[in-house]
Amino acid sequence: AQSVTQLGSHVSVSEGALVLLRCNYSSSVPPYLFWYVQYPNQGLQLLLKYTTGATLVKGINGFEAEFKKSETSFHLTKPSAHMSDAAEYFCAVSVALSGGYNKLIFGAGTRLAVHP
Amino acid sequence: NAGVTQTPKFRVLKTGQSMTLLCAQDMNHEYMYWYRQDPGMGLRLIHYSVGEGTTAKGEVPDGYNVSRLKKQNFLLGLESAAPSQTSVYFCASSYPVLRSSEQYFGPGTRLTVT
Repeated sequence: AQSVTQLGSHVSVSEGALVLLRCNYSSSVPPYLFWYVQYPNQGLQLLLKYTTGATLVKGINGFEAEFKKSETSFHLTKPSAHMSDAAEYFCAVSVALSGGYNKLIFGAGTRLAVHP
Repeated sequence: NAGVTQTPKFRVLKTGQSMTLLCAQDMNHEYMYWYRQDPGMGLRLIHYSVGEGTTAKGEVPDGYNVSRLKKQNFLLGLESAAPSQTSVYFCASSYPVLRSSEQYFGPGTRLTVT
């Protein structure tokens, strides 16, 4: 069965420092992977997604993620954190349902704090 | 476009009361979903719909019912609320493309059952 594990429920960085949020997945088929961001009191917004092709995926707000099949990982990075990046981040894998439909399986989330 | 909207934004219920959460989308999406978000557990799928008039159970459907009478609306009902249903509820929608589809989320409904 497909699943997602996010390592670290809370990550704290200084403004300007590297952001690294870890995601490992389990999938019996080639995975489609997503990162979503949730700002306080808001819904989820797509940061980026990997389907096929280039393994380094660039998203919005300077974030990127690299799909590594050998490590079953899809870690999210940003070279320089900004105060506005403080939010909760969710990694997800798309799972095929019967009838050709799909659903997302989410990790537990990582809350990112950015300090001045 | 308003995207995905949810009403109400907040609600407090007493145990045993019933209520309906409304989700509306103006993107002509075929697929719609209801999730609940609990601390440390991410989002879990309650029910979903792949088109008008069709619904299906997700991972945690017990205690909830849904209806999709119009393509743009997806209703989530709680017939007899329990404290375990205290959560934040999110609706989402997507195009009927296979596993690469992005889901678009509403702002959420915070429900407290006392």
